[in-house]
Amino acid sequence: GENVEQHPSTLSVQEGDSAVIKCTYSDSASNYFPWYKQELGKGPQLIIDIRSNVGEKKDQRIAVTLNKTAKHFSLHITETQPEDSAVYFCAAPQGAQKLVFGQGTRLTINP
Amino acid sequence: DGGITQSPKYLFRKEGQNVTLSCEQNLNHDAMYWYRQDPGQGLRLIYYSQIVNDFQKGDIAEGYSVSREKKESFPLTVTSAQKNPTAFYLCASSGGVATNEKLFFGSGTQLSVL
Repeated sequence: GENVEQHPSTLSVQEGDSAVIKCTYSDSASNYFPWYKQELGKGPQLIIDIRSNVGEKKDQRIAVTLNKTAKHFSLHITETQPEDSAVYFCAAPQGAQKLVFGQGTRLTINP
Repeated sequence: DGGITQSPKYLFRKEGQNVTLSCEQNLNHDAMYWYRQDPGQGLRLIYYSQIVNDFQKGDIAEGYSVSREKKESFPLTVTSAQKNPTAFYLCASSGGVATNEKLFFGSGTQLSVL
């Protein structure tokens, strides 16, 4: 089955700087890679996703890059703001019906 | 507004007691999921259902049971056989073309043991 590793587990950056979170996956057949943001006391929310037929996708200050050869994908947040502080999870599919999640990264934006 | 509602927000279980967590959605989604979240860990799949009256075990189904009698509802029962039930439980439904894409999550239920 699919195995997803996420790094780092915690990340602290100054407001305005960029943050990068990386995930690796094991199944070369995986073709869909979402990122979820979880604020304190709430459920995760999908913030961006990418399919394996593209290498990069952007949505304002958020971008995801995919390297199929190396089997890793990364979340990039530019011009970080205090409201970006949260726990971020990557995921990869296991079959057509399930997602396997990474362990999560707690991102703290320091003013 | 469309969404997923989980209740209660906090729940306490006594030894030997079964408890049921509620999950209701009005998004008209076919697929629904239950995940367990422990501190510092990712989300682990307990059960999932692709359609009414059908459901499958996830990776950590032991000590849990579910039912899917209505499209809108997917309740999770934590039985007395689950020896370490303290966790944050998340329900989700899928709005994607593939059922494991674009999950919508509820706000969760924190279950603790008395």
